[in-house]
Amino acid sequence: DAKTTQPPSMDCAEGRAANLPCNHSTISGNEYVYWYRQIHSQGPQYIIHGLKNNETNEMASLIITEDRKSSTLILPHATLRDTAVYYCIVRVGGNQGGKLIFGQGTELSVKP
Amino acid sequence: DGGITQSPKYLFRKEGQNVTLSCEQNLNHDAMYWYRQDPGQGLRLIYYSQIVNDFQKGDIAEGYSVSREKKESFPLTVTSAQKNPTAFYLCASTLDRGDYGYTFGSGTRLTVV
Repeated sequence: DAKTTQPPSMDCAEGRAANLPCNHSTISGNEYVYWYRQIHSQGPQYIIHGLKNNETNEMASLIITEDRKSSTLILPHATLRDTAVYYCIVRVGGNQGGKLIFGQGTELSVKP
Repeated sequence: DGGITQSPKYLFRKEGQNVTLSCEQNLNHDAMYWYRQDPGQGLRLIYYSQIVNDFQKGDIAEGYSVSREKKESFPLTVTSAQKNPTAFYLCASTLDRGDYGYTFGSGTRLTVV
């Protein structure tokens, strides 16, 4: 499974967009990019995932570069409740999709 | 509502004792996973199972054991051989497809006293 690299921490002002980057330069053609977040002492929460096209749902948008070597998670209007650790993970597709391997993630602090 | 349930939420163990953490899901998911999380750290994979009666070691399996006798259940036993068991334990499940996300339980916090 490909490895991901994220900045250890980021700050964002409440109401502004939070843009969280992730590098996955060794990603394979059939590996999906997943984003999860974890609020202290809770289980990780699924946010979004994508293969090569940009994706949007009610929580966030995922922008994947054309060469798929990096991606950005966008929280369009960050709130204090978005303060959490955000994990970017790649996972092989197809049957027997394989394990999610978590890195250290990015600790996002949303400030008033 | 479908979901994944871990119990107990908090568990205290004396040194030298084995303890078993429960994980049950009613999502009809094929695969189940156990992760360990230490303070300020990411999640590390202990064991996983993609099918009933089969499981594989993750990165930190030493001192742990699992079973998968039923599709919906994947209990984790922390044995006395695990030298530093105090941690937050998370269970997850998924359909065994790369385009399907994991669902996580709410975790069990184990403390050795």
